Amino acid sequence: GQQVMQIPQYQHVQEGEDFTTYCNSSTTLSNIQWYKQRPGGHPVFLIQLVKSGEVKKQKRLTFQFGEAKKNSSLHITATQTTDVGTYFCAGGGNAGNMLTFGGGTRLMVKP
Amino acid sequence: KAGVTQTPRYLIKTRGQQVTLSCSPISGHRSVSWYQQTPGQGLQFLFEYFSETQRNKGNFPGRFSGRQFSNSRSEMNVSTLELGDSALYLCASSLGRGRADTQYFGPGTRLTVL
Repeated sequence: GQQVMQIPQYQHVQEGEDFTTYCNSSTTLSNIQWYKQRPGGHPVFLIQLVKSGEVKKQKRLTFQFGEAKKNSSLHITATQTTDVGTYFCAGGGNAGNMLTFGGGTRLMVKP
Repeated sequence: KAGVTQTPRYLIKTRGQQVTLSCSPISGHRSVSWYQQTPGQGLQFLFEYFSETQRNKGNFPGRFSGRQFSNSRSEMNVSTLELGDSALYLCASSLGRGRADTQYFGPGTRLTVL
């Protein structure tokens, strides 16, 4: 079945440094979604990418969807302590309504 | 609009018991999905219900079951609990239009099996 891998699992950064998490699917995706889960909280939807090569920005966050629609990345510029949490990608397959979540990248920011 | 609600928020059970968790989706959402979250395994998809029918199922044993009511509220049941079932159980609701749906998660039920 469809598998979605996410790297790295953990990332410690100094406040102000950049951060990137990568998401790779074993199959071509119809769309990719990104979620953020704060410590003790639940996943919250950030964004969805649908088109091959799509790039979307939300303030300091930049999301990319690969040309082959099998990979994606989330880049945060100049991290802040409010960015702390686990970032999940979730891939939508081409059959069924199921989203497959990556394992998440836990971001820790040192002030 | 009220968000997704889950009850109870915390639960402690012993091995062999069964448990029922409840999820009320956002008003107007017809799809409810259930996920198990553990530190080692991340977010694992259990099943999705749409219009009272199970539409998708993850790779979990038959001890895990669910149902959806006509008002879209959903319940999840785990029978013969095992220690490994200790986890945060999240439900997520969506409009149910298809695979591009955004998932809106509830706060989860923290299940501890002793």
